[in-house]
Amino acid sequence: DAGVTQSPTHLIKTRGQQVTLRCSPKSGHDTVSWYQQALGQGPQFIFQYYEEEERQRGNFPDRFSGHQFPNYSSELNVNALLLGDSALYLCASSPRTGMNTEAFFGQGTRLTVV
Amino acid sequence: ELKVEQNPLFLSMQEGKNYTIYCNYSTTSDRLYWYRQDPGKSLESLFVLLSNGAVKQEGRLMASLDTKARLSTLHITAAVHDLSATYFCAVDRDDKIIFGKGTRLHILP
Repeated sequence: DAGVTQSPTHLIKTRGQQVTLRCSPKSGHDTVSWYQQALGQGPQFIFQYYEEEERQRGNFPDRFSGHQFPNYSSELNVNALLLGDSALYLCASSPRTGMNTEAFFGQGTRLTVV
Repeated sequence: ELKVEQNPLFLSMQEGKNYTIYCNYSTTSDRLYWYRQDPGKSLESLFVLLSNGAVKQEGRLMASLDTKARLSTLHITAAVHDLSATYFCAVDRDDKIIFGKGTRLHILP
């Protein structure tokens, strides 16, 4: 079991550009959540996808959008990048139902906006 | 709104000493997590606590949960330098995980 995998691991973008980050959930998991962790802070919930729809959303602007595919993998898109978007982006997956719905995190994507 | 508060936020301690990190949360939750994070790395899951009175131990770390007091503790016994890291408490409610600000632990040799 490969666990939760994210790509790329590191990324450098210029202010104003757009970026897409990818996440493959752990086998057997159908729910994917995205988190942003700024330097020195705890992770902040961005949004969650289940059945290819956004189910919950944290306090993030519309520049942050996502998608979930039929195979449960997910993308996080950020438009019009700001310097303040520089952070570690973490993806977590979990099963929607069952006895154990514990979330598992990927290794993260480090985004630097210059 | 669910809030998670950890204290202390910074802790510098000598090897061999014991200490406790506290985590308070504001509303009921489905589960409580403790994570470790090394600089530049992702989150490593340490413990998942589900029910009142739950206690789990792994090596020098022990976590407990009091759901009535909405309090979890992470106790470090006879600290060693390898435990230096940032520790996060996080609460899962309705499939949304809310994190504390983290406790940056520095263990001096």
